[in-house]
Amino acid sequence: GAVVSQHPSRVICKSGTSVKIECRSLDFQATTMFWYRQFPKQSLMLMATSNEGSKATYEQGVEKDKFLINHASLTLSTLTVTSAHPEDSSFYICSASSGTVAYEQYFGPGTRLTVT
Amino acid sequence: AQTVTQSQPEMSVQEAETVTLSCTYDTSESDYYLFWYKQPPSRQMILVIRQEAYKQQNATENRFSVNFQKAAKSFSLKISDSQLGDAAMYFCAYRRKQRAQKLVFGQGTRLTINP
Repeated sequence: GAVVSQHPSRVICKSGTSVKIECRSLDFQATTMFWYRQFPKQSLMLMATSNEGSKATYEQGVEKDKFLINHASLTLSTLTVTSAHPEDSSFYICSASSGTVAYEQYFGPGTRLTVT
Repeated sequence: AQTVTQSQPEMSVQEAETVTLSCTYDTSESDYYLFWYKQPPSRQMILVIRQEAYKQQNATENRFSVNFQKAAKSFSLKISDSQLGDAAMYFCAYRRKQRAQKLVFGQGTRLTINP
């Protein structure tokens, strides 16, 4: 099956710094990628949808200047958390779709971000 | 907007028994996809089963089956012969039929398997 990777799997950063999380589709071209955030013992909350070569579409309430999403190629999307604060600590999950099969969506293993 | 509701925050079942997880959803569309995802402690999302709304036949994948009631907007997951490896969070999800659409998740149900 299709494989999606995320890097890093865990990251600790200091408050006020920025951190970048990468999401890669390893064996297919991902025309669309999704970024989710998951707090402990809660469900996945969609943050934004990104299509290759165009600006991401953010969900209501998600600060686009704080969570910068770039989808510059068909295999890579990045999420940059700018000026991170402890409340940004969470589990971030990406998923990817090639668009060739209507129902497909493949998930990455997630990134645990801790802001100290 | 579409919504998905899982009213059982936690469920438990004896190993080898059968358990049913409930899910209801709300949509004004007639054709869509419904999914059950499993999230074990590793937190990797794993697709368990998929149902297409226009198909009346309930989907089945080995020990996992669904009861899809379109008129009632209900989509329950039945796990037969429960195994210790089935212990996880289970999320019900909805997706519009068009390509590359977002998933709308329910709140999740934590399933515990008692040996």
